[in-house]
Amino acid sequence: EAGVVQSPRYKIIEKKQPVAFWCNPISGHNTLYWYRQNLGQGPELLIRYENEEAVDDSQLPKDRFSAERLKGVDSTLKIQPAELGDSAVYLCASSQQGLYTEAFFGQGTRLTVV
Amino acid sequence: AQSVTQLDSHVSVSEGTPVLLRCNYSSSYSPSLFWYVQHPNKGLQLLLKYTSAATLVKGINGFEAEFKKSETSFHLTKPSAHMSDAAEYFCVVSDLTGKLIFGQGTELSVKP
Repeated sequence: EAGVVQSPRYKIIEKKQPVAFWCNPISGHNTLYWYRQNLGQGPELLIRYENEEAVDDSQLPKDRFSAERLKGVDSTLKIQPAELGDSAVYLCASSQQGLYTEAFFGQGTRLTVV
Repeated sequence: AQSVTQLDSHVSVSEGTPVLLRCNYSSSYSPSLFWYVQHPNKGLQLLLKYTSAATLVKGINGFEAEFKKSETSFHLTKPSAHMSDAAEYFCVVSDLTGKLIFGQGTELSVKP
């Protein structure tokens, strides 16, 4: 079974430029998460989808971040414009709906803003 | 609100000795608890999960964790460390909506 696929693995951009990350979850998983992990810290939730609906985006900086999950499958996360403080690893995860279900994580995209 | 505290930011053990990574949680109801491992430049991998069945949970690679409600703890143990166990370990609690809340992580070093 294929896992969660993210691309690109690495991205280096100049500040004020836009950047987009892509995620393909495990087939059949209705729940999709985007997390941000700063160096030396645990992942923090940016947004969570149940199918096409964003059910928790309280931690998403909406002035510069946007996300979409068309057709309830793939998802993209965009930053425009990027700031130096956005340098981090962006993790996508998916799970089946319901409590007590574990999330499966992709390898992440390491973003460096210079 | 649910939260999780990992009591040690770094643990160092010698190969072949026991491992103990400590985690305390805060929850107003019976929680779902997980331990994930993250090797350098790799994704997060589930080690084990607690879902209100047996309080002693066995995971992959010889790890296990015990849920202790009276102590609000979910410590991760392994009888004998291996060099390949060196990684970052995260204790995670899930709230009622399914949102995962991560601890700050414990870096495990294993000396030869």
